[in-house]
Amino acid sequence: DAGVTQSPTHLIKTRGQQVTLRCSPISGHKSVSWYQQVLGQGPQFIFQYYEKEERGRGNFPDRFSARQFPNYSSELNVNALLLGDSALYLCASRPDYSNQPQHFGDGTRLSIL
Amino acid sequence: GESVGLHLPTLSVQEGDNSIINCAYSNSASDYFIWYKQESGKGPQFIIDIRSNMDKRQGQRVTVLLNKTVKHLSLQIAATQPGDSAVYFCAATADSGNTPLVFGKGTRLSVIA
Repeated sequence: DAGVTQSPTHLIKTRGQQVTLRCSPISGHKSVSWYQQVLGQGPQFIFQYYEKEERGRGNFPDRFSARQFPNYSSELNVNALLLGDSALYLCASRPDYSNQPQHFGDGTRLSIL
Repeated sequence: GESVGLHLPTLSVQEGDNSIINCAYSNSASDYFIWYKQESGKGPQFIIDIRSNMDKRQGQRVTVLLNKTVKHLSLQIAATQPGDSAVYFCAATADSGNTPLVFGKGTRLSVIA
């Protein structure tokens, strides 16, 4: 079975640009979460979606937004990119909104020049 | 809010020895804990989880111990192999998964052949 897939795998942008990252959850998983991981740190929660509704938001500015589609895939958008947005962006999915392990994709490596 | 920390940023063990990776959490309401393994260039990979109504859980070559009194959990890896070399993260959540996963900073495990 396919795991969580993310695209693109790598991306280079310049300051002020906008970026859209994509995530396809494991088949049958309805909950998707986004995390930011900077070098040397653990992942930090950005958003959680379940059944196309936002269920949680981390301590990130309004430049960050996301949505979930009817097929449960998800997009993360970041506007007005800053150098500090350079990170690995991870998507995780789980079957529903309960105590079950989240399964991660391999992430999108975003570099801001 | 919750904070999760690991006691040692790096750990080196001889191949065949047992490894113990420790983690502390701050929120007494945390009720679900997960250990992840992250290899270079990849996303976190689920290893084992434990709920707060348990104090020990075993998987294949791995054991997680939970001490709610001192808010501490550990991951034990038996007969450590070179393929176990990676960064290990503990993560915690409360309210049966309704709060976001909070990750520690990670411990880098190096296996010496």
